[in-house]
Formats: sequence, C-alpha cells, structure tokens
Amino acid sequence: DGGITQSPKYLFRKEGQNVTLSCEQNLNHDAMYWYRQDPGQGLRLIYYSQIVNDFQKGDIAEGYSVSREKKESFPLTVTSAQKNPTAFYLCASSQSPGQGYNEQFFGPGTRLTVL
Amino acid sequence: AQKITQTQPGMFVQEKEAVTLDCTYDTSDPSYGLFWYKQPSSGEMIFLIYQGSYDQQNATEGRYSLNFQKARKSANLVISASQLGDSAMYFCAMRDAAGGTSYGKLTFGQGTILTVHP
Repeated sequence: DGGITQSPKYLFRKEGQNVTLSCEQNLNHDAMYWYRQDPGQGLRLIYYSQIVNDFQKGDIAEGYSVSREKKESFPLTVTSAQKNPTAFYLCASSQSPGQGYNEQFFGPGTRLTVL
Repeated sequence: AQKITQTQPGMFVQEKEAVTLDCTYDTSDPSYGLFWYKQPSSGEMIFLIYQGSYDQQNATEGRYSLNFQKARKSANLVISASQLGDSAMYFCAMRDAAGGTSYGKLTFGQGTILTVHP
C-alpha cells in the first residue's frame, strides 16, 4: 500500500544529543514537509522540500536540519541547538506543491521526549 | 502573512446532530486553498475536505461540507449526523498561492476539539 512511514514512533533523547527522525514515502510525491506540534496546538512548519536536493526553511527551522538526497526520503535531525525539542513531529508529502487540490498526506508521527 | 483563526477551543454535540466548526482566514493572495483535517487521539492527520478560492460551489464530501463565504473570509466545516467516531481535534489550514519559493506549504489554525456525546 502507498503511504508515508515515520520512525521511530517514540523517541527519547538526552539533552545535548542530536537525533534523526525518519520519513519515507512511496507515493512518488515531489514535495515533502516537516511539522512540529506542541500539546493542544496547531502544526508549525519546520522545513519543506519541493524537489530532490532542494529544501527551504519553514517558520521554525532553528535547531533543525534536513536533507533530501532521494525523492522518497526526507529525514529530520533535531540538533542540540533546539532549546525545547519535546514535541510531536509530523511528516507530510504532496504531489505537486501549490497546484489545485493536492492535499498533503501525513505520516503517523514521531513523539520526541527530551529527558 | 497568512493567518488562520479557529475561535472555538472546544465544541460539544449530541450524536446524530449537526455541528459547525468555525474558521476564518486572512490573506492578500487572490488564489489560495483551504483544507480541513481531523486528528484523532492517535495523532495521525486525516484529510477531510478542500475548497479552492475560485470554486463557485461549496465543497461537500459525504457528511462533511464547507460553508465558504469568501467576502467574510470564512470557511466553516459542517459535520452532519455526528457519530461518536467524530470526536477528535479538527484543524483548518490554508495553502499558499502557487508560485514563489514558499508555495505549497500549509498554515494551520490552533484547532477545535470536538466531543460527540451519545
């Protein structure tokens, strides 16, 4: 079945450590996105990529980094520079960004907790 | 800058009744798209319905309909015949106009928690 997978589902990190969240899609979508969600809040965009080897900062990119070496993969690294990384992280993809209908499909999310 | 406002932190509805979830938006772009997503307690985001700014008719999708009032910049979600499984967080979102470096990204509202009572 086509879809988006994120791993791990739960992740615990010690302060000062970098961690990488995985996002893979087999929908052949061009665009991929990373969002952060804090309890009781909406989603905020961290990074997005419209095409392989290209990505743009979103609204809250500080302390995060991404890569887009393959069309199907868009990993997110939460660095030690991110002051408050405990949150729910959602990855999404869409076929052709900005064109008509093109909803974003979301993965199941990764819940990151800093100990 | 684009902005989405959902003024209802929580809503309650009786099973089988209809409910309206409010969403207002602010943009200077003539071309935009409006989305509603459902987020159950498990966390996944489920797409419900889409309305394009140039669509002449209100969008409908099964029990979901979108009351689109362009002049008032509102895009309220109407759920008819509520079911217990409709209990979830609901988000309104707006997509940037096509073109430019930021097109395609979604701006989300704060969400409304809907509770359906039996």
